[in-house]
Amino acid sequence: AQKITQTQPGMFVQEKEAVTLDCTYDTSDPSYGLFWYKQPSSGEMIFLIYQGSYDQQNATEGRYSLNFQKARKSANLVISASQLGDSAMYFCAMREGLSNSGYALNFGKGTSLLVTP
Amino acid sequence: DGGITQSPKYLFRKEGQNVTLSCEQNLNHDAMYWYRQDPGQGLRLIYYSQIVNDFQKGDIAEGYSVSREKKESFPLTVTSAQKNPTAFYLCASSPQVSGANVLTFGAGSRLTVL
Repeated sequence: AQKITQTQPGMFVQEKEAVTLDCTYDTSDPSYGLFWYKQPSSGEMIFLIYQGSYDQQNATEGRYSLNFQKARKSANLVISASQLGDSAMYFCAMREGLSNSGYALNFGKGTSLLVTP
Repeated sequence: DGGITQSPKYLFRKEGQNVTLSCEQNLNHDAMYWYRQDPGQGLRLIYYSQIVNDFQKGDIAEGYSVSREKKESFPLTVTSAQKNPTAFYLCASSPQVSGANVLTFGAGSRLTVL
């Protein structure tokens, strides 16, 4: 079963506007971590932000913030003041504390974001 | 600068040939991983290694093999048994810690089977 679901295959946003990329997850493990990565067209994966399941506050990193709603099992990424360089694929990922894959991450299928002038 | 180096960046292979993708890291990370990326599929875990001389199968290990003889190196061999090897392959590493165990990725290797 898919553990990470990203329902938006593609999104458009105008430069300087904010955009929310959706991510829902499925786990029965009380201890887990949620990650967002950016993948530009060059292919490398760039870490953006992390949220632990026990963290009381939503994570923020510069223009990135994570809207963590634990009861709804959602971890949406909010990008404020979008820039043209934000155009890329965005992946949500999860690491479970009781995973049988060590510390590997389980990735969603991604959302393609296009920022327009 | 610390990081992960993957080579080659592009690789073409004829059907029936084995190919080996190189992954080297100088981050002193204990754990290393191989992921495969297909269009619209996200990243899927092939193999991972938490310590030298030990590795475990991921979700799609069939047709692949790995070795971990040195901490810095985790090469992936795509064998002729892999039915659909054309894909983008990403290597990653991480420290062996709980919490924000951030994976650092290489730039990837794109394999095309002719």
